[in-house]
Amino acid sequence: AAGVIQSPRHLIKEKRETATLKCYPIPRHDTVYWYQQGPGQDPQFLISFYEKMQSDKGSIPDRFSAQQFSDYHSELNMSSLELGDSALYFCASSLVRRSYGYTFGSGTRLTVV
Amino acid sequence: KQEVTQIPAALSVPEGENLVLNCSFTDSAIYNLQWFRQDPGKGLTSLLLIQSSQREQTSGRLNASLDKSSGRSTLYIAASQPGDSATYLCAGDNTDKLIFGTGTRLQVFP
Repeated sequence: AAGVIQSPRHLIKEKRETATLKCYPIPRHDTVYWYQQGPGQDPQFLISFYEKMQSDKGSIPDRFSAQQFSDYHSELNMSSLELGDSALYFCASSLVRRSYGYTFGSGTRLTVV
Repeated sequence: KQEVTQIPAALSVPEGENLVLNCSFTDSAIYNLQWFRQDPGKGLTSLLLIQSSQREQTSGRLNASLDKSSGRSTLYIAASQPGDSATYLCAGDNTDKLIFGTGTRLQVFP
């Protein structure tokens, strides 16, 4: 069965650079979520999109932005990177307003040096 | 604001033991509750989903229960094995997003 695909798997950036993370949800899933998991922390909700429109926003820094495209894939753009942005970034998708739960991708490990 | 707490934070047991992992949440108006497993530095693997109309789910040696009125969910792991060693996270579906608990780090030794 198709899963949530995230790319890249690993990313190393320098401070003040920009990073773009991509997420391809399970086909026909209508909602995409982004989460950030710092070292030793639980995943924290960043932002979500329902049918290509932003549906909710969590603790996402102003330096970050995201969007969902017509093919339902989503991108998380992170600018002016800081050392504290080093984390695992997860994308998840769900169907019919999460009646069947959430499926997570394998994550992108971002390291800012 | 929904807060999810897991007890214990860490657990180290010999293989073969039956385990109980606890999850409590402050807002009983959750929709679903989902249990995940996470290996170090890896992704989140869904173990069990308890939908809003359900009180229990079972998969193999895993059983999860949900009591919304008391704000608690419990994950039972029967006959634990070294391969069960991982962090277990519960997450409440609240206002169209998952709120994660603090996790229980489990180590099962031979």
